[in-house]
Amino acid sequence: GAVVSQHPSRVICKSGTSVKIECRSLDFQATTMFWYRQFPKQSLMLMATSNEGSKATYEQGVEKDKFLINHASLTLSTLTVTSAHPEDSSFYICSATGGWQNTEAFFGQGTRLTVV
Amino acid sequence: DAKTTQPNSMESNEEEPVHLPCNHSTISGTDYIHWYRQLPSQGPEYVIHGLTSNVNNRMASLAIAEDRKSSTLILHRATLRDAAVYYCILRDRGSTLGRLYFGRGTQLTVWP
Repeated sequence: GAVVSQHPSRVICKSGTSVKIECRSLDFQATTMFWYRQFPKQSLMLMATSNEGSKATYEQGVEKDKFLINHASLTLSTLTVTSAHPEDSSFYICSATGGWQNTEAFFGQGTRLTVV
Repeated sequence: DAKTTQPNSMESNEEEPVHLPCNHSTISGTDYIHWYRQLPSQGPEYVIHGLTSNVNNRMASLAIAEDRKSSTLILHRATLRDAAVYYCILRDRGSTLGRLYFGRGTQLTVWP
């Protein structure tokens, strides 16, 4: 299957700083990418949907000014958590669809964010 | 999106078949049934999906009830690597592929 890679896999940042997470589709062109957040022992929560070259569509309750999403190319989307606080500590996961595959979404391995 | 109900947890022994149930009594005629699984500390991975007919692939089989109000994911011979949270998700045919709303899923434990 297709490969989606996230970087970094783990990051620790200080409260008040911003952190950027990258999501790349390695072997296909991802027309649409998705960002999820997962707190411990909980399920994945969809945060936003982004299409290449256009603004992301955020789910209800997700602050678009806090979670900046950029999908500038067909192989790269970034999520920037701005002015991070300890409550933003979570597992962030991206997924992508597109190219020849039209039946499933491909997920990255996730990024563990810890805000101290 | 219509909701699904799954048991919180299930257990199996290695090399035995596993039947993971999912209820979706409010499913609409255009909803696909998708199954994904998530191994510890990893992103989810696709398992299988179907609309009306039973489906088989190299990972699993999906049995869909005639009235489509329930389905069962079948792992024919569980391995230790199959220990994961399994999510049953409904997705409308007209909605964006990949825009998925996950429930709590079923935690599958596989004993050696």
